[in-house]
Amino acid sequence: DGGITQSPKYLFRKEGQNVTLSCEQNLNHDAMYWYRQDPGQGLRLIYYSQIVNDFQKGDIAEGYSVSREKKESFPLTVTSAQKNPTAFYLCAATRGSNQPQHFGDGTRLSIL
Amino acid sequence: AQKITQTQPGMFVQEKEAVTLDCTYDTSDPSYGLFWYKQPSSGEMIFLIYQGSYDQQNATEGRYSLNFQKARKSANLVISASQLGDSAMYFCAMRERGYSSASKIIFGSGTRLSIRP
Repeated sequence: DGGITQSPKYLFRKEGQNVTLSCEQNLNHDAMYWYRQDPGQGLRLIYYSQIVNDFQKGDIAEGYSVSREKKESFPLTVTSAQKNPTAFYLCAATRGSNQPQHFGDGTRLSIL
Repeated sequence: AQKITQTQPGMFVQEKEAVTLDCTYDTSDPSYGLFWYKQPSSGEMIFLIYQGSYDQQNATEGRYSLNFQKARKSANLVISASQLGDSAMYFCAMRERGYSSASKIIFGSGTRLSIRP
């Protein structure tokens, strides 16, 4: 089935550690997005990308980094500079400007 | 600056009644799109309805309709004949065309809808 796969489902980070969240899609969609969701809150945009090797910062990019080396992959690294990383992270992809985003099932990141 | 506002943190509605969820937006881009998503407690995001800024008619999808008032910059979601399964968080989102290669899509803070039997 076509879709977006995020892994792992749960992730624990130690102090001072970088961790990478995986996002893979087989929908052949051009645009991909990363959002952070805190409990009871909305989604905040971290990074987004339209094409390979090109991406833009969203509203809360500090402490995060991304790469887009392949169309189907958009991994997110939560660096040690992100002091409050505990949240639910959602990856999304969309085919075009008037098309809805397809979302993965999310990764829950916690601090050990 | 691009902004989405949902002013109702939570709502309680009796089953089978209609409900309106408010959404206002701010953008300087003449070309934009508005989306509504539902997020049940499981966390998945479910697309409900889309309205483009140049669409002449309000969008409808089954029990969902979008009350688009462009001059007032509002895009309220109307759910007719609410059901218990409608209990969830609801998010309004906006896509701006933008000047970079990618369209930026941002979300409001959401409204938690609870349906009473």
